Amino acid sequence: QVQLKESGPGLVQPSQTLSLTCTVAGFSLTSYNVHWVRQPPGKGLEWMGVIWNTGGTRYNSALKSRLSISKDTSKSQVFLKMNSLQTEDTATYYCARVGYWGQGVMVTVSS
Amino acid sequence: EIVLTQSPTTIAASPGEKVTITCRASSSVSYMYWYQQKPGASPKPWIYDTSKLASGVPNRFSGSGSGTSYSLTINTMETEDAATYYCQQWSSTPHTFGAGTKLELK
Repeated sequence: QVQLKESGPGLVQPSQTLSLTCTVAGFSLTSYNVHWVRQPPGKGLEWMGVIWNTGGTRYNSALKSRLSISKDTSKSQVFLKMNSLQTEDTATYYCARVGYWGQGVMVTVSS
Repeated sequence: EIVLTQSPTTIAASPGEKVTITCRASSSVSYMYWYQQKPGASPKPWIYDTSKLASGVPNRFSGSGSGTSYSLTINTMETEDAATYYCQQWSSTPHTFGAGTKLELK
């Protein structure tokens, strides 16, 4: 069945780079777009960006200078990299495709 | 960027009561998507293409709207419907979300 699962470090130091992986199952990354969405504790959802099934990307302009999304289709993995992290980047990060979301991974930015 | 404004921010309803949540877009969108989120859980796709219920969603839920005005309606509130509901547009990037409506049980 369709599954998405995020993985990555739970703690990142300020000014460092966040690297997250979304491993998918039950569908091909050549057929579906995958989005990244984040949610700070107690707050709403923020769309971060998308990698299209074709490999193209689109980012939220508020994050564009810091954000990169890529994928390895053969491994069914999508990658998120975001640099210059600050405390306000503390959030649960989700990957999602139409109809399905991952469980999310909580990332805390703190020294 | 299309801004989505949800109202109300919070609403309390008794079992059996009808509930309507609205989502207004700053520019016209083709469709609206709705998600249900309970504490500690991922958002669940709830309504897609404005009015189609996701798999497993009870038919007491419905969605409607067009252009810049959309709504999610619960015909008769049930205990399990207490949650936060978010709207999202996919018409243009960034695919913005509304700020959410917290539905509480009265």
